[in-house]
Amino acid sequence: GAVVSQHPSRVICKSGTSVKIECRSLDFQATTMFWYRQFPKQSLMLMATSNEGSKATYEQGVEKDKFLINHASLTLSTLTVTSAHPEDSSFYICSARGTGNTEAFFGQGTRLTVV
Amino acid sequence: AQSVSQHNHHVILSEAASLELGCNYSYGGTVNLFWYVQYPGQHLQLLLKYFSGDPLVKGIKGFEAEFIKSKFSFNLRKPSVQWSDTAEYFCAVNAPNTDKLIFGTGTRLQVFP
Repeated sequence: GAVVSQHPSRVICKSGTSVKIECRSLDFQATTMFWYRQFPKQSLMLMATSNEGSKATYEQGVEKDKFLINHASLTLSTLTVTSAHPEDSSFYICSARGTGNTEAFFGQGTRLTVV
Repeated sequence: AQSVSQHNHHVILSEAASLELGCNYSYGGTVNLFWYVQYPGQHLQLLLKYFSGDPLVKGIKGFEAEFIKSKFSFNLRKPSVQWSDTAEYFCAVNAPNTDKLIFGTGTRLQVFP
C-alpha cells in the first residue's frame, strides 16, 4: 500500500509552547488528509479533514485556533498545536487519501507530551 | 447520532479458537467499510475493506468480514486465531457523501498460547 510518513514520532514540549506535526504522503498525491486524536485505550477521534488548497473542516468541539491545520501541497499537511497544555498530551495520527481512492493510509502517529 | 459501534471491547481467546468481532453502523445510504488492526506500538494497518460486490470480503492474515446490509453490520471473523493476532481492531465507515472515515471504539484482542 501507499506510504504516509508522520514526523516527529515523539515530542515533549513545555506548556505554552507550540508544536508542529508533519504528515507526508511519500508515493501518491493526497488530495484529502485527516487528523485524528487517540486517547489511551480509546478509539480514533476525527479532529479535522483537509483538502489541498482549502481550509480544513473541523469536527464539533475541536478548537480551530488551537489546532491549526495546513494542507498547502498534495504531499504535505501539518498540524500545529498552539499554546499547548498538559491536557493536549495525546497520540495524534494523520491519514491521507488520493483522488478517487476511498482507502486512507495512516501515518505512524505522534506521541505528544506537554509538561 | 450516526455512529459506528463495536460491541466487544476486550476479547480474550486461546490460540486456535475462532474469532468474531461485531461492528454495526447507523449510516443510511451507500457506505464503504473497513477493518483496521493496530499491533502494539505500531500504526494502523488495513485488514480488509468493502466497497461493493460480494458481501463476503477476504483480507490479509486469514481475516474475513461479511457485510449484511439489512443488519447494518460488518463483522470480522477468523477461523483460528494465533498469538500474533493480539492487537487492537477497529471498524471504520466512510460516511456517505462525505470524506470522513469514522472509527468504532475498537476491540482489544488478546490471544494466549
